Amino acid sequence: GNSVTQMEGPVTLSEEAFLTINCTYTATGYPSLFWYVQYPGEGLQLLLKATKADDKGSNKGFEATYRKETTSFHLEKGSVQVSDSAVYFCALSSNSGYSTLTFGKGTMLLVSP
Amino acid sequence: ETGVTQSPTHLIKTRGQQVTLRCSSQSGHNTVSWYQQALGQGPQFIFQYYREEENGRGNFPPRFSGLQFPNYSSELNVNALELDDSALYLCASSPAGGTGSYEQYFGPGTRLTVT
Repeated sequence: GNSVTQMEGPVTLSEEAFLTINCTYTATGYPSLFWYVQYPGEGLQLLLKATKADDKGSNKGFEATYRKETTSFHLEKGSVQVSDSAVYFCALSSNSGYSTLTFGKGTMLLVSP
Repeated sequence: ETGVTQSPTHLIKTRGQQVTLRCSSQSGHNTVSWYQQALGQGPQFIFQYYREEENGRGNFPPRFSGLQFPNYSSELNVNALELDDSALYLCASSPAGGTGSYEQYFGPGTRLTVT
C-alpha cells in the first residue's frame, strides 16, 4: 500500500536559516505529491504540489521537487521566518481509482528570532 | 468564495455515546472526504462521498458512517464512542468526481474529546 515517511521533529532553526524537511514515499504507479501546513489550532492548508516526476512545486518561498528515482519530495526554503513555525505534512494521492490523501506523521518546525 | 466549514468546533462526549459532525463543502465541489487526526499524528482517511454515495473507505470500523446531501454537504456519524476516538476530525472537499489527483481543501476541523 501507499505510505509516506517524514523526518521526525521538532526542527528548530533561527530566523533566516535554510530549511530542509525530508520526505520519502512508497506508492504504486505515479502518485501526485503534496506538502500541507498546519498552524496551531487550525486545519490543513495546501502549501505546494507536484503531479509528475521532475516537477517542482513552489509557493511562499518553499519548494519541493518530485524525484521518482529516489521516491522523494523534500521541502526546502532558503530563509525561514518566525511565521513559518507550524507542522508540515507530506502527502501523496494515487492517480488511479478514487483520490484520497496518504499523509506522513508531520514535522514540527520552530523558528526563533 | 466560501471555504470548507465544519461544526461544531469542539465537542465533549462520554464513552458509548453517539456523535454527528457536519461539513459544508467549498462552492462548486462535489466530493467530500473525512479524515481523523490523532494528537501528534498525520490525518488518516476515513471515507469519501461523491454524489451522495460512499466512494471509498479507509480502515475504520462500521460504527463510523456518513452521509452526503444534494447540496454536497456531509455528516460524519460515530456510534458507540471509544476513548481512542478522541481526535481532530477534518473534512476536505474537492472539485472532481473523486478520481485523479485534484487538490483537497480542508476545513478547520472538529476537536472531539471522549471521556
